[in-house]
Amino acid sequence: QKEVEQNSGPLSVPEGAIASLNCTYSDRGSQSFFWYRQYSGKSPELIMSIYSNGDKEDGRFTAQLNKASQYVSLLIRDSQPSDSATYLCAAKRNNDMRFGAGTRLTVKP
Amino acid sequence: NAGVMQNPRHLVRRRGQEARLRCSPMKGHSHVYWYRQLPEEGLKFMVYLQKENIIDESGMPKERFSAEFPKEGPSILRIQQVVRGDSAAYFCASSPRVDTEAFFGQGTRLTVV
Repeated sequence: QKEVEQNSGPLSVPEGAIASLNCTYSDRGSQSFFWYRQYSGKSPELIMSIYSNGDKEDGRFTAQLNKASQYVSLLIRDSQPSDSATYLCAAKRNNDMRFGAGTRLTVKP
Repeated sequence: NAGVMQNPRHLVRRRGQEARLRCSPMKGHSHVYWYRQLPEEGLKFMVYLQKENIIDESGMPKERFSAEFPKEGPSILRIQQVVRGDSAAYFCASSPRVDTEAFFGQGTRLTVV
């Protein structure tokens, strides 16, 4: 069973702090990795894609990938209350895209 | 460019009825995924389709559930003889290629009464 594991949280950070979300995956053949944000009652929204080892930055978001350790992370700088949501990590191997259970983030004003 | 369109947004069915969920992928996307999500839980893979082909249905129950993605028209997820345990949010996602990101529709919330 190919698995993607995330800490379910909840993770609580004060406004302006850095939120760090972590994810591990079991399938070494996974090629593509994604972070989605899901607000309560809404659909998942893609926020970051990462395909190679290292860091990828987009605004306040930085995704980090370490294939040797089978580890993906998402850093959110200058966290805002509007970042409060569940963050889903996904690992994809060809057509097989599997999700973690998500980490619930709360940013407190 | 319209996003992934799912309809209906909300669907109520009595036990034993059929539920039919529709998904129109983004323009130019030929890869469609269906996922189910129970409250406070993650996304569970159900089925992956390309035009006219079911590629991977390993996550879909073998009975009562079926999916299709015809040459013309939307992808359909069909649940026959629904039971209360089928109540969930069903999300469709599409991607332009097999190795790229997928974009989700708004989902269909199915309630079985």
